[in-house]
Amino acid sequence: GESVGLHLPTLSVQEGDNSIINCAYSNSASDYFIWYKQESGKGPQFIIDIRSNMDKRQGQRVTVLLNKTVKHLSLQIAATQPGDSAVYFCAENRDETSGSRLTFGEGTQLTVNP
Amino acid sequence: EADIYQTPRYLVIGTGKKITLECSQTMGHDKMYWYQQDPGMELHLIHYSYGVNSTEKGDLSSESTVSRIRTEHFPLTLESARPSHTSQYLCASSEYMAGLRGVPYNEQFFGPGTRLTVL
Repeated sequence: GESVGLHLPTLSVQEGDNSIINCAYSNSASDYFIWYKQESGKGPQFIIDIRSNMDKRQGQRVTVLLNKTVKHLSLQIAATQPGDSAVYFCAENRDETSGSRLTFGEGTQLTVNP
Repeated sequence: EADIYQTPRYLVIGTGKKITLECSQTMGHDKMYWYQQDPGMELHLIHYSYGVNSTEKGDLSSESTVSRIRTEHFPLTLESARPSHTSQYLCASSEYMAGLRGVPYNEQFFGPGTRLTVL
């Protein structure tokens, strides 16, 4: 399953399928990006990050792709499991002289059906 | 699992009460943050601190105030709570993040959040 367009609030996939969650960021000066997973009643948890000098980074079952030309970020989850059901947020960081701050995008609710 | 704690986890209070939400981290991080989040919605930065005696307002205007007297502690205070303050409040911390020229980045670690309801 894949969220289409710039952002889709919900994505529903079958267990075992691959999931793709998309995110558009706003600032071409952003140089670091993070994907967070937030389960119900909990704080966001780090999944994977990528610097702007990279276009792909892989973790365990997750891959993040960065397209700086169109300011687009995606998170791919392989063999999606019920435990992957959560809200996923992308966040961008701008390296400012005053320090670093993250700006969060709207979340995507991923639901994995057994 | 991140060593960042928030208390209380849930709070229901009446309008006009003064409240303080506690946040503590044991990782020695210089930077700490407060976010406000409505259910299922994006996080909005309301306050941040780059170290002891440093506090700044975030992107979302808030009637709350913060203090940073100790590195590990970053409490948030509402002098007079109102129903419009009903929300989830998330605290986070991170180490110093340098640019691509130098030190590798570190992510923000989040606490479990405080769900505040003002009646």
